[in-house]
Amino acid sequence: DARVTQTPRHKVTEMGQEVTMRCQPILGHNTVFWYRQTMMQGLELLAYFRNRAPLDDSGMPKDRFSAEMPDATLATLKIQPSEPRDSAVYFCASGLPLAGDGNEQFFGPGTRLTVL
Amino acid sequence: AQKVTQAQTEISVVEKEDVTLDCVYETRDTTYYLFWYKQPPSGELVFLIRRNSFDEQNEISGRYSWNFQKSTSSFNFTITASQVVDSAVYFCALSETSGSARQLTFGSGTQLTVLP
Repeated sequence: DARVTQTPRHKVTEMGQEVTMRCQPILGHNTVFWYRQTMMQGLELLAYFRNRAPLDDSGMPKDRFSAEMPDATLATLKIQPSEPRDSAVYFCASGLPLAGDGNEQFFGPGTRLTVL
Repeated sequence: AQKVTQAQTEISVVEKEDVTLDCVYETRDTTYYLFWYKQPPSGELVFLIRRNSFDEQNEISGRYSWNFQKSTSSFNFTITASQVVDSAVYFCALSETSGSARQLTFGSGTQLTVLP
């Protein structure tokens, strides 16, 4: 049963600390997305990659957020320095958007981040 | 730009009642995909259905049914004979196919509470 995995599931940190969230996409999926969910903004796209190359990261605050895919099995989202307003659930999703495909995305369980 | 509107923020029904969750979308694309996801209290996002813009046939899956109407840009979701386990937040989402964009644009979600 192929699934997207995310670590850690929960993270509590203090303002100013660096936070790294990791995602392992489903093997063979070539597109990875990072979403953030907050009560105020709902689910919003932060960044997405295709074949490990960033296609769009316009949803991310550039000064503190960075997203990378060191290899096809790992995507990372870093926040440095973290701020209380970054508290949210961060979801990773992977997919295989071939022509004619429904662009279905499979979501990981999320990382619940709390910045004190 | 694409947009998804779920006007119902919260709905409360008594078990065994039927309930319809509304979804209205906006897009300039002629080819696009619509989705429904369920987010139970545990927090994960569970895929329910995908529909492409060329297929307006309604779909039924057990107690779930979906009514796609291109003329009104709506993709409504009905749960028949609701159960307590249906209590969750339900998200409607849209994915366009033009360009390289494949991200999902989510509605704000509808919190469904099914009372025993």
